[in-house]
Amino acid sequence: DIQMTQSPSSLSASVGDRVTITCQASQDITNYLNWYQQKPGKAPKLLIYDASNLQTGVSSRFSGSGSGTDFTFTISNLQPEDIATYFCQHYKSLPITFGPGTKVNIK
Amino acid sequence: QITLKESGPTLVKPTQTLTLTCDFSGFSLTTSGVAVAWIRQPPGKALEWLALIYWNGDKRYRSSLKTRLTITKDTSKDQVVLTMTNMDPVDTATYYCAHSPAAIHFDEWSQGTLVTVSS
Repeated sequence: DIQMTQSPSSLSASVGDRVTITCQASQDITNYLNWYQQKPGKAPKLLIYDASNLQTGVSSRFSGSGSGTDFTFTISNLQPEDIATYFCQHYKSLPITFGPGTKVNIK
Repeated sequence: QITLKESGPTLVKPTQTLTLTCDFSGFSLTTSGVAVAWIRQPPGKALEWLALIYWNGDKRYRSSLKTRLTITKDTSKDQVVLTMTNMDPVDTATYYCAHSPAAIHFDEWSQGTLVTVSS
């Protein structure tokens, strides 16, 4: 199975800050990497697919990059509504696996 | 507009079988490339993919749970059903069904049902 790790596990930042989360795969997954946002008590929401493509209707403050084993997710101009946990997910092969999540808080 | 809604028991006893139904609308599970997945999330933990069923009837399961899981579809009812046998307290989780346009990402999710396994 391909293992996904994320860092940091949590972070606090100020409104307007740029926030970066990293995701690392245990083996090469090319660009088969998605990012989700999950707010408390809610289902996950797809933000980024294929490592860098913004899902329709999602704010352009969210972006993703990377390929191979190392990926980055960025929130520019952090807003209060961005408080959530963010997960990466690969689909290079089955089983599909998710990262452990990064909890984003506002200072 | 794609919507999914899962239904099933919120409490099951250890060793019992869990049956969850996902009713969906806004897409057809006969359209080439489309799949529906079941994914769960234990309280406070990460998401865990369980099973996928494709438009052509092909099925895939998480290997560690394969002997306990069955996923089926009823295209006439726009439903996908997941059964999980021999439930254990460690299976306590919120269970989601999700639409996948090509089994590569999950672009629409159900609201989730917390299933508690306890005697």
